[in-house]
Parts: sequence; C-alpha cells; structure tokens
Amino acid sequence: AQTVTQSQPEMSVQEAETVTLSCTYDTSESDYYLFWYKQPPSRQMILVIRQEAYKQQNATENRFSVNFQKAAKSFSLKISDSQLGDAAMYFCAYRSLYSGGGADGLTFGKGTHLIIQP
Amino acid sequence: EADIYQTPRYLVIGTGKKITLECSQTMGHDKMYWYQQDPGMELHLIHYSYGVNSTEKGDLSSESTVSRIRTEHFPLTLESARPSHTSQYLCASSERQDNTEAFFGQGTRLTVV
Repeated sequence: AQTVTQSQPEMSVQEAETVTLSCTYDTSESDYYLFWYKQPPSRQMILVIRQEAYKQQNATENRFSVNFQKAAKSFSLKISDSQLGDAAMYFCAYRSLYSGGGADGLTFGKGTHLIIQP
Repeated sequence: EADIYQTPRYLVIGTGKKITLECSQTMGHDKMYWYQQDPGMELHLIHYSYGVNSTEKGDLSSESTVSRIRTEHFPLTLESARPSHTSQYLCASSERQDNTEAFFGQGTRLTVV
C-alpha cells in the first residue's frame, strides 16, 4: 500500500514571499500520479497542480511549481509571491496509474496548514 | 467550480437515526468516491464506485453503505447514526478512462449527538 507523508503540520509565510511545502511518499509502483490539493476554509478541495511520474519535467501552474524527485520519492510544492488567498490546508496525494485491483482513489497526506502573514 | 454537489452541508442528528448524505455530479464521470475527513484533517477513502451497480469498500472500514443506481448519483447511508460517525464527509468523482484528478464536493459536516 502507498503512504504519503507531510511532515509540516503548519507553515507560515509573509505575503509576497515564497514558501515550500514538503511531501514524501512510499510506493513500489513505477508509474503513478501525484497531486497537490488545496482546501480553503469553505472546505471544497481544489486541485492545485499534478505531476505524472513518467515525466521528468517538473509541473508548473502560474505561481505554483513542484520539485519532483522520483528516486527520493519526494514531491514538494513551491508557492511564489504568496497571496492572502493562498491560505488553506494543502494536501499531497498519490494515485496509481492503473485502476482496478484493490482500493482505488487518492491516498492523502495529513495536510499542511498554510498561514499567510499580511 | 466543479459540478459536484453534496447535501446537506451541515447536519446535526440524534443517535440511532438513519441518515443519507447526497452526492450528485453532472460531469458524466464513471468513478465516484466517498472520503471521511477526521478532526485532524486527514482524509480516508471509505467507498468508491466504478459505475452503475458497482460499489466497493475503501481503505478505512466504515459502517456506512452506498449505492450507485444512476451514474450521477452516489448517496451514502448510515442506518443508525452514532457519535463516532461525527466527521466531515467528502464526495468526489473522476473520469474512468483517464485516471487522473478527482473533483470534490463541498462536503457534509455531520454531527451525531
């Protein structure tokens, strides 16, 4: 079974600065997807960014980018130019490339609470 | 915003009552999921479905049951609610062929007193 570990329960950053959220995972699979989801206080989970394990290039979405280190099984999220609206819980998640056989769905880390200081 | 809806948003109910949490999506997704989110915010998969008449139990054992009679509808039922069922329940859906991102509803906050 896969596991996802987020070692930072809470992070705080000044508005306009850069912050990096850590995520490590454990799997025996070679192909999979990794995601960062954001859950604002309204509670709806929103996809921030995703990475296919077979792609070496790190995914980027505007101010959000990842540092994907497959050998180290590390998948950190960098938020540049932090904004007040970035304040939320951030979840790292793993998903097998192949559905079927056992439980399907995302495996989540415990989350990191990101605080933006004005 | 994703086209997946959960009702009610909040529910406070007495012990022993039967409850059904509704989840509907208008995206035509085959796969649907129920996650339980505990007070520490960690999410656990409790049920999933690959399509109509398909339901499976997830990683976390749950006393709830689900049904999938229509593609767009995936309700979760508790026959006899207990205080230990107090939690946040999140419904999600994704496409079958492209095993990628899941879209989430806004969740149902259930409190059993």
